[in-house]
Amino acid sequence: QSVLTQPPSASGTPGQRVTISCSGSSSNIGTNTVNWYQQLPGTAPKLLIYSDNQRPSGVPDRFSGSKSGTSASLAISGLQSEDEADYYCAAWDDSLNGYVFGTGTKVTVL
Amino acid sequence: EVQLLASGGGLVQPGGSLRLSCATSGFTFSTHAMNWVRQAPGEGLEWVSSFGGNGSGTFYANSVKGRFTISRDTSKNMLYLQMNSLRVEDTALYYCAKVVAWRGGGWTYYLDNWGQGTLVTVSS
Repeated sequence: QSVLTQPPSASGTPGQRVTISCSGSSSNIGTNTVNWYQQLPGTAPKLLIYSDNQRPSGVPDRFSGSKSGTSASLAISGLQSEDEADYYCAAWDDSLNGYVFGTGTKVTVL
Repeated sequence: EVQLLASGGGLVQPGGSLRLSCATSGFTFSTHAMNWVRQAPGEGLEWVSSFGGNGSGTFYANSVKGRFTISRDTSKNMLYLQMNSLRVEDTALYYCAKVVAWRGGGWTYYLDNWGQGTLVTVSS
């Protein structure tokens, strides 16, 4: 089972700001950097944010990441219909010697 | 352009074996760590195994340790996952993914490219 905890769902209307939390521990988020993945329906996951707050080339700047202690957050500003997807946080875990994913959050655009 | 193409999935009975392959191109395969990640139907992502870059070791999730073996062939730019003693709960879409990793104060470790996945179904 996942060691990173996310809310199962989040929603907003077009143009709104939505925030997703990710709670971990000292062996993962507290020590190592956090990444976020977006999974559109029926597709493979795609890297959205890496190293806590860095966006890969091509990712719109309305996606932003932050981290404090053993928790991290993903914010989507100016929500758009194409942002409707599942979002996962992830980090390397030093205790498990493995990569851990969050439980996932389904974002719905109302 | 990085390309990852996973194959080898299929229907297998409980207790059976299967070998997944991931054909890679567009990057220096031998210097990058590679991962297998799976997703059971309707469920979230689960990390399965890592092969370290520059041959720096292999790592497994507790759920597959002792049953699965990750390997690679750098001459063919291929990643493999040998799956033995398969269980119904191993049923999932299996993705291969390229890793970017370095250690500063802590690990920066992320999967920057993913393949399309290959479906493994374990059922009698």
